Formats: sequence, C-alpha cells, structure tokens
Amino acid sequence: DTEVTQTPKHLVMGMTNKKSLKCEQHMGHRAMYWYKQKAKKPPELMFVYSYEKLSINESVPSRFSPECPNSSLLNLHLHALQPEDSALYLCASSHQGQGVIDTQYFGPGTRLTVL
Amino acid sequence: QQQVKQSPQSLIVQKGGISIINCAYENTAFDYFPWYQQFPGKGPALLIAIRPDVSEKKEGRFTISFNKSAKQFSLHIMDSQPGDSATYFCAASMIMGNQFYFGTGTSLTVIP
Repeated sequence: DTEVTQTPKHLVMGMTNKKSLKCEQHMGHRAMYWYKQKAKKPPELMFVYSYEKLSINESVPSRFSPECPNSSLLNLHLHALQPEDSALYLCASSHQGQGVIDTQYFGPGTRLTVL
Repeated sequence: QQQVKQSPQSLIVQKGGISIINCAYENTAFDYFPWYQQFPGKGPALLIAIRPDVSEKKEGRFTISFNKSAKQFSLHIMDSQPGDSATYFCAASMIMGNQFYFGTGTSLTVIP
C-alpha cells in the first residue's frame, strides 16, 4: 500500500479564516512533506518533518503553520492567507530509513482557493 | 538556480509514437533520479526511477536512459497512448536525503 490521503479535496476560504489541511499515511514512513504547486509548475517544497521533528522550513510565511502530531499524521494550519496562496497543496511521505531508497509518495492534494 | 533542467516544456506525439523527455543536472552528489507522472488535479505519481550505477531501466513501455558522464537522463515512452497524456516531472536527489529537486515539467499530449 503506497497511499497517502489528504483532506479536504477542495477548500475555499476567505483571507480572515483559519482552516487546516490534513494528511495521513500508514506505510510506516518517518518523513513527511508539504509542497505547494501552482498550475503548470513543479511542486515547491514548504516543510519537511523527519521522525516527527521539523527538519526543513523553506522560508515559508508564518501564515502557514505545520504540525506533526504523530508519525502517521501531518497537518498544515492556515491563517490570514492571501489570494496568491491559492494552489494545490500536496503532502508526501518517504521511508527515511537506513539503506532504503527514500522515494517520496504523494497524496492527491488539496485544491485551495483564497478569496 | 534550477538544479534540474527539463525539456521540452510541451510535447505532442501521435498515438503509437515514441515520447522523449530530457533532463540534465549539475550536482554530482545526486544519486537517485525518479520520474513522476501527474494528471490534472491529482498528485504526482512515481512512474519509474534509476540510480547512476545502471545506464538504462525499463518498466513496460517506460524506459529511463542515464548518461552519468554527461549528467543527463531521459524518459522514453514507447507506443504512446492517449492515456499517457499528462505532465511529467523528472527529479533528482541524494538517495539518503529527503529533498527532491524537480525539473520544470513537460506537458505531453498524445493525439489519437
């Protein structure tokens, strides 16, 4: 099973709203990622959690706040977003183990629209 | 600075033809090169991947060719089908690392 699930599939929010994106995997992976993807562009890395600790933060604005409650779950809390934050938000996970190829498996994404 | 360069940006191929997408990289520390296929509104799905100790890897109609000295690798799709119409991203990483560097993507259209 190489499934990463994300909820919700679609989200429309105003600039003053607070919402959260959720991601879950049950592959025993110890690294989880948030990416932002604009139309016709490659995914842009936002955050990486490794063994439930934030290991990479690609200078993302503080209106995006990640959280990793346990090794299977990853959240992205959103607050006071701007219209230019509208994008497809992708979650991915990888094994992150010794001697294992660290392939990333992506979820289907959450299509976010900020009005 | 784009760590992985991908071409062409778009590609139109007749059904049954061969689709070829090329990528080039500079960082010789990269040792893992996956290709992802993405349909509109979906997440990228791992298609095929290669390590630099082999020059070619084939899975069904999909083949990666790898040229370590030229720091280039390419995806060949044989007998292209309309269902292959999607955006393809190459990527590179260090095998024990957790940061992928994606190419800019190629939009493939296969005409029936």
